[in-house]
Amino acid sequence: KNEVEQSPQNLTAQEGEFITINCSYSVGISALHWLQQHPGGGIVSLFMLSSGKKKHGRLIATINIQEKHSSLHITASHPRDSAVYICAVRSNNNDMRFGAGTRLTVKP
Amino acid sequence: DAGITQSPRHKVTETGTPVTLRCHQTENHRYMYWYRQDPGHGLRLIHYSYGVKDTDKGEVSDGYSVSRSKTEDFLLTLESATSSQTSVYFCAISISSGQGYHEQYFGPGTRLTVT
Repeated sequence: KNEVEQSPQNLTAQEGEFITINCSYSVGISALHWLQQHPGGGIVSLFMLSSGKKKHGRLIATINIQEKHSSLHITASHPRDSAVYICAVRSNNNDMRFGAGTRLTVKP
Repeated sequence: DAGITQSPRHKVTETGTPVTLRCHQTENHRYMYWYRQDPGHGLRLIHYSYGVKDTDKGEVSDGYSVSRSKTEDFLLTLESATSSQTSVYFCAISISSGQGYHEQYFGPGTRLTVT
């Protein structure tokens, strides 16, 4: 079993819909990261969080340390949000562990 | 983009040939990483470096070696490429964001095909 599990693996939405991507992990962590990978392959960091909630534009990331769970929300989704979203955790021994990613397609 | 470049960006090679991928950074960051990305798997760590000549293995290091003779360059070598090493390879650096936390920044990736 992977140490970082994401759901769903694939997600298709209509433009304007509210989107939620989930991440569960099984190791102790110091921080959790949400990354975005666009077609063409570049990976960019969206959020790094260790507690609570962060918001950037239409993106919101939350984490529940007790439940070892994080969610990434996209409000008012747009076709340009189509990408692979990757959850990653930095474990307490400083290793990074990555989920397999969620492929999001937003249709106009 | 934290000044990370990778070369080559694409390579096709034959089984059994040696291949070296280069990661170059311009900002003197101490920690550098090599990952591979395959369908159905998350990014997996191959090797990492914590300084010049200081490297260590990751979870999928078999068949790979690395070298770091200068702060700015981290080389990944496949001594004898196999088809199972067909993958997209990402270099990354780690930057402290304060209060003990580190963020990783990724290079653009190298798509390697071993035929």
